[in-house]
Amino acid sequence: DVKVTQSSRYLVKRTGEKVFLECVQDMDHENMFWYRQDPGLGLRLIYFSYDVKMKEKGDIPEGYSVSREKKERFSLILESASTNQTSMYLCASSSPTLAGADTQYFGPGTRLTVL
Amino acid sequence: QQQVKQSPQSLIVQKGGIPIINCAYENTAFDYFPWYQQFPGKGPALLIAIRPDVSEKKEGRFTISFNKSAKQFSLHIMDSQPGDSATYFCAASITSTSTGNQFYFGTGTSLTVIP
Repeated sequence: DVKVTQSSRYLVKRTGEKVFLECVQDMDHENMFWYRQDPGLGLRLIYFSYDVKMKEKGDIPEGYSVSREKKERFSLILESASTNQTSMYLCASSSPTLAGADTQYFGPGTRLTVL
Repeated sequence: QQQVKQSPQSLIVQKGGIPIINCAYENTAFDYFPWYQQFPGKGPALLIAIRPDVSEKKEGRFTISFNKSAKQFSLHIMDSQPGDSATYFCAASITSTSTGNQFYFGTGTSLTVIP
């Protein structure tokens, strides 16, 4: 079974703090993604990575950065956390298929509260 | 802007009913349309998916209907059960041979099936 793990289920941080969210997958997937999930807004892509050290901006990259130094690990960084970044953060991984029918495997999520 | 529009936001049905969730898109380049199911406290998981060259796909009690000309697709759950209570996300993606697919998710539908 594919397993995507996220470092914390719940996190509480103060405004202005630097926050690291870690994601690890064990299926040797090339692609990894960070989404945030907010009520009424669905899943919005922050960043994705299709290879080690490669990254692409998603729909809402402002205020975030990412790091992928190893294939299995994808980190999301909030350089200076703000209250509007309070949200559920979901990591996902996938392996590209020739037919284009990728399946994204999601972690359980990290609920981040910024006070 | 939202690339995939999903409705309704929430749905309550009696056990045995047939909830229908609708999604619409504009980008005709989309070529893969999955549905994801999310239970509380878990990440989303792939439920069923369809390509635009077929009009319907069934897997067990779950059916996707696809209308290419109208750029709409919907999920039907036959003989719904309380265990189907979850949030459902439709999605669309464009095949990329170089980077893997980027998914665009709908805003989600919270389904409650009453015993």
